[in-house]
Amino acid sequence: DQQVKQNSPSLSVQEGRISILNCDYTNSMFDYFLWYKKYPAEGPTFLISISSIKDKNEDGRFTVFLNKSAKHLSLHIVPSQPGDSAVYFCAGGTQGGSEKLVFGKGTKLTVNP
Amino acid sequence: NAGVTQTPKFRILKIGQSMTLQCTQDMNHNYMYWYRQDPGMGLKLIYYSVGAGITDKGEVPNGYNVSRSTTEDFPLRLELAAPSQTSVYFCASKKLAGELFFGEGSRLTVL
Repeated sequence: DQQVKQNSPSLSVQEGRISILNCDYTNSMFDYFLWYKKYPAEGPTFLISISSIKDKNEDGRFTVFLNKSAKHLSLHIVPSQPGDSAVYFCAGGTQGGSEKLVFGKGTKLTVNP
Repeated sequence: NAGVTQTPKFRILKIGQSMTLQCTQDMNHNYMYWYRQDPGMGLKLIYYSVGAGITDKGEVPNGYNVSRSTTEDFPLRLELAAPSQTSVYFCASKKLAGELFFGEGSRLTVL
């Protein structure tokens, strides 16, 4: 059972344009969601998070939107830069207990100069 | 500020050999996790620990063992290595309600 789904394996955008990465989830018990960014041969690094009681969180060029009724979240990057080229993972988590995160399969973003 | 440190970064094993992937964190985090990432797949949880002396299985624990004798260290033991264990392994840690910090990964090949 894939609780977190990233249905687009890859995305290519032009520098300066908007990148939109999508994520769907099935577990209604998630308390928060996070986006991680991963460069080749490195560990994932935290990018941005959103609580399940919010519908938007913004941090500089990065904005995450949450639509609970649709069980959908998206990451917007504006403007996109070549250095944003990486694999982006969406994850859902529940507070308390094991604090485990469930990750999607990732979307590889390529920003072309 | 080291964060999460994993060793070794690369290792080649023969089928049936055993080895231990080391993980240590210096952030005094209670929660520690081992994930594996296979090509085109997400991060799958192998084992996790909510504190020293406490460990539990994740999604894909078969063929692995862990221990957590201190807050800082969370080694992952592979017994009788199999080609299916060829993967990139990530150790991670967090505090309660905090973000997850990852190590740089250990690339393991079993031939």
